Amino acid sequence: AQSVTQLGSHVSVSEGALVLLRCNYSSSVPPYLFWYVQYPNQGLQLLLKYTSAATLVKGINGFEAEFKKSETSFHLTKPSAHMSDAAEYFCAVSEGFSGGYQKVTFGTGTKLQVIP
Amino acid sequence: DTGVSQNPRHKITKRGQNVTFRCDPISEHNRLYWYRQTLGQGPEFLTYFQNEAQLEKSRLLSDRFSAERPKGSFSTLEIQRTEQGDSAMYLCASSSTVNTEAFFGQGTRLTVV
Repeated sequence: AQSVTQLGSHVSVSEGALVLLRCNYSSSVPPYLFWYVQYPNQGLQLLLKYTSAATLVKGINGFEAEFKKSETSFHLTKPSAHMSDAAEYFCAVSEGFSGGYQKVTFGTGTKLQVIP
Repeated sequence: DTGVSQNPRHKITKRGQNVTFRCDPISEHNRLYWYRQTLGQGPEFLTYFQNEAQLEKSRLLSDRFSAERPKGSFSTLEIQRTEQGDSAMYLCASSSTVNTEAFFGQGTRLTVV
């Protein structure tokens, strides 16, 4: 069965510092991987997704993620944190993507705090 | 079109009461999904529709829950005889085809007291 593990439920970084949010996945077939952001009392917004093309995926707001099959990881990074990046981030996995979003499994989330 | 709209945004109800939530997807989207998100967890899939047909339901969707999408446009999620464990954020999402981006609504936060 597919699953994702997000390491660290809370991450704090200083404004301007590197953001690194960790995600490890488990999948029996080549996965599709996603990162979503959720601001307080809001829905989820897609940051980026990996669909078996380039292993380095660039997303919105300066975020990117690298798919590493050997490490079963899909960590999210941003070179320089901005105050507006404070939010909760969810990693998600789907075994293939022929089935639609009902087949996507979300992680438990990482809350990012940006310190001025 | 301003995106996926959910109403109400917040609902407080007494245990045992029935509640109904509404989701208006992006107009051209034929796929609609319902998720439940409890505190400290990611969204969990409840059910999805393709047009008016409800094609899949999660085992999380007990017989107290029912969802409809009568004309393939808006959808409703009803919870009968609410329990405190039903307290959660209920999210709706829609997409145009199987693997295009799903857009999420702002959710309905249910509190059962």
